[in-house]
Amino acid sequence: AQSVTQPDIHITVSEGASLELRCNYSYGATPYLFWYVQSPGQGLQLLLKYFSGDTLVQGIKGFEAEFKRSQSSFNLRKPSVHWSDAAEYFCAVGAKEYGNKLVFGAGTILRVKS
Amino acid sequence: EAGVAQSPRYKIIEKRQSVAFWCNPISGHATLYWYQQILGQGPKLLIQFQNNGVVDDSQLPKDRFSAERLKGVDSTLKIQPAKLEDSAVYLCASSSHQGASYEQYFGPGTRLTVT
Repeated sequence: AQSVTQPDIHITVSEGASLELRCNYSYGATPYLFWYVQSPGQGLQLLLKYFSGDTLVQGIKGFEAEFKRSQSSFNLRKPSVHWSDAAEYFCAVGAKEYGNKLVFGAGTILRVKS
Repeated sequence: EAGVAQSPRYKIIEKRQSVAFWCNPISGHATLYWYQQILGQGPKLLIQFQNNGVVDDSQLPKDRFSAERLKGVDSTLKIQPAKLEDSAVYLCASSSHQGASYEQYFGPGTRLTVT
């Protein structure tokens, strides 16, 4: 069965510090990988996506993620966090073989302290 | 380009009542998805449409949930009768799947509270 694990429910970082949110997946096909961000009361906004090619992908708002097939991971990083980055972050996996439906992790809530 | 529209944004009902949600996808997007997001969890797919046909409804509780996408454009999701555990945010998403793009665009969601 397809599954996505985000091990950290909550993370708190200081403004200006670096950030890494972890994502591991279990999938029976070549995955497409996504990171979405959700602010309170809002829908999901796509930060970045990986389909193929370069395993380091750049996204919006200064985020990047690296696909590591050997570790079944797709961790999200940002070198310097801003207070406006406080939100909930979701990792998601899809595949053409499964009709492109997305399987989401449980999310990581990011708190930024000044 | 206009995004995915959903209404209402909030709904409070009593258990055993019925409720309906509406979604209008991005123009030209053939694929439409309904997700259920329970507090503290990630979204879970309920049903996927390709044009006006159902692609996947394996996780839709068909004894109480129904969905339709007439004319392959907008869609409605209905719950009848509602249970307390149906309290959640219901998200609609759409995608074009043109070329290599499989990105799903999400609406703001409808927050349902069942009392």
